[in-house]
Amino acid sequence: EAGVAQSPRYKIIEKRQSVAFWCNPISGHATLYWYQQILGQGPKLLIQFQNNGVVDDSQLPKDRFSAERLKGVDSTLKIQPAKLEDSAVYLCASSLGGAGNTIYFGEGSWLTVV
Amino acid sequence: QKEVEQNSGPLSVPEGAIASLNCTYSDRGSQSFFWYRQYSGKSPELIMSIYSNGDKEDGRFTAQLNKASQYVSLLIRDSQPSDSATYLCAVNIARPKTGANNLFFGTGTRLTVIP
Repeated sequence: EAGVAQSPRYKIIEKRQSVAFWCNPISGHATLYWYQQILGQGPKLLIQFQNNGVVDDSQLPKDRFSAERLKGVDSTLKIQPAKLEDSAVYLCASSLGGAGNTIYFGEGSWLTVV
Repeated sequence: QKEVEQNSGPLSVPEGAIASLNCTYSDRGSQSFFWYRQYSGKSPELIMSIYSNGDKEDGRFTAQLNKASQYVSLLIRDSQPSDSATYLCAVNIARPKTGANNLFFGTGTRLTVIP
């Protein structure tokens, strides 16, 4: 079974530039998550989708971050304009859905803002 | 109080010893608990899940849950150098504003197994 796919794996941008990350979840997984993991910290949930609807985006900095999941499958996370403190790994994850379901992570997209 | 708290370590144990990793959580209503292992530069991978009070064993790993004390732990028996990684405790917590169940992670405990 294919895992969660993410791209690009690595990205270096200057502050105030924009960047977009793409995620393809495990086939059949209704729930998709974007997490931000800053070095030395645990993953922090940015946004959770159930099919193509947003379940929770309360921790997403909406002035600069946006995410969409068109057609309930792939998702993109965009940052515009980027700040130095956005340097982190952006982890996409998916699950079948519902509390208690196992969440599977992609390899992550490493962002460095200089 | 943070939703999920762990000692950041580092925790060092000799090869063959038992490594004990601990985690506390804030939401008394939480029902699902997970331990993830994260190697340096890699994404988290699930190693154990536990939903009921008591112990759950899987090979060299044992997860222990005490809901009354809001405490979950992971024991690694016969520790191997390949177990050296950061171990993340994760707890499903219902967010008051949205009602959604989100997985909250601790900061992780870095474990080093010394050959």
